[in-house]
Amino acid sequence: QVTLKESGPGMLQPSKTLSLTCSFSGFSLSTSGMVVSWIRQPSGKSLEWLAAIDWDGDKYYNPSLKSRLTVSKDTSNTQVFLKITSVDIADTATYYCARRRPYGWYFDFWGPGTMVTVSS
Amino acid sequence: DIQMTQSPPSLSASLGETVSIECRASEDIYSNLAWYQQKSGKSPQLLIYYASSLQDGVPSRFSGSGSGTQYSLKISGMQPEDEGVYYCLQGSKYPLTFGSGTKLEIK
Repeated sequence: QVTLKESGPGMLQPSKTLSLTCSFSGFSLSTSGMVVSWIRQPSGKSLEWLAAIDWDGDKYYNPSLKSRLTVSKDTSNTQVFLKITSVDIADTATYYCARRRPYGWYFDFWGPGTMVTVSS
Repeated sequence: DIQMTQSPPSLSASLGETVSIECRASEDIYSNLAWYQQKSGKSPQLLIYYASSLQDGVPSRFSGSGSGTQYSLKISGMQPEDEGVYYCLQGSKYPLTFGSGTKLEIK
C-alpha cells in the first residue's frame, strides 16, 4: 500500500527558509523509474508543480522558483525533502508530495498535504 | 512553459446530467494529459491519464478524450459524489503545469 505524508513547520516568518519532509511507504525511491514530486496550492487557487527527484538522484525544478528550491532524498530512500529559501507571503500554501507513476509522468499517489503560512 | 487553459471555471449540473470540461494546451502535448478531482480539504485524486485511460477504481461514467492541444473530460450522469474541483495536468514537458480548475456543483 503506497502512502505519502508531508510534514513542515506550519508557520514561519518572511525571509526564512522553509524545510519540508515527505515520508513515504509502499515503494522505494531506489527502484528504477520512481520519482517523487513537490506540488503546492495556495488556498482557493490552482496547483503548481515545484520540483522532483528521481531514483537516480536526478533533480528537476520549476524554473520560476529554481533559484530558491533544493530537493533531496535520504539514503534509505524513504524520505524526500524540499527547502525553499527567502520565503514571503506568496509562499503561503498547502504543500503536497506525490509519487509519479513509475516510468510514467502523472501522479498516482498524493500525500494529504501540509499547510504552511508565511507571516510576520 | 506550456500553458493549460481550462474551461469553464465553474459548472452547475443536475443529477444524471452529462457534463464536459475542456483543457487547451498552448502547444501539442501528445496526449500527455491527466485529469484530477479534488474534494474540499483533500488532495487531488487521479481520474484519467494519457488523455483517455481510466485509473483503476474510477467509475466508468468518467471518460477523457482529445489529442494535440485540445482535451476534454466527460462525466456521463452526474452523481452527488462528483462535486469538487477538476484539474487537468500536462506531462509533455517540464515544468509540469496544471489548468486553473473547474468547480463542479450539483444544481
